[in-house]
Amino acid sequence: QKEVEQDPGPLSVPEGAIVSLNCTYSNSAFQYFMWYRQYSRKGPELLMYTYSSGNKEDGRFTAQVDKSSKYISLFIRDSQPSDSATYLCAMMKGAQKLVFGQGTRLTINP
Amino acid sequence: GAGVSQSPRYKVAKRGQDVALRCDPISGHVSLFWYQQALGQGPEFLTYFQNEAQLDKSGLPSDRFFAERPEGSVSTLKIQRTQQEDSAVYLCASSLVQGLDTQYFGPGTRLTVL
Repeated sequence: QKEVEQDPGPLSVPEGAIVSLNCTYSNSAFQYFMWYRQYSRKGPELLMYTYSSGNKEDGRFTAQVDKSSKYISLFIRDSQPSDSATYLCAMMKGAQKLVFGQGTRLTINP
Repeated sequence: GAGVSQSPRYKVAKRGQDVALRCDPISGHVSLFWYQQALGQGPEFLTYFQNEAQLDKSGLPSDRFFAERPEGSVSTLKIQRTQQEDSAVYLCASSLVQGLDTQYFGPGTRLTVL
């Protein structure tokens, strides 16, 4: 069993919809939680980073962490076609090593 | 300023060949990471440098994989006697300081072993 589980999708929604992306994890040692966006043939880029349970908002993006359930989410409001990408959750447990989920491929249809 | 650059962007090797993949981190970044991303999967950690010191190589899949960063800047990932299962995108990332800090990723090198 992988330490971080993420539904690979694909997920296809109409423009303007609210998107919900999720990951679960098994290792309670994870302390830091990130969401990366990866466009085709590009490297991942950091979207959001949190280290405590609760919500963090940045523009149209909201990251949510529930440590008691070992569950993290990313919400995208007013989704745009330019949001079409693969979204990767990632977690860190010391020594800066990131542990990634499989990634969810998202398509926003105009 | 320039981001993380990697070369070559694409590499095709015959099984059994040796390959060398280069990473130029952001200038001044202390930490450098290598990840392997198989098709349809998330990146998986290979190894980590702080300056020229390789502090963690626990993710290297076999002794055919070797990484170095001799002057604490440019890094090279070498794969000897390539196998088909080595086909993947190899991503390099750098961060400014040790400890928790944003990792900036390069575009990756796509390796195909025939």
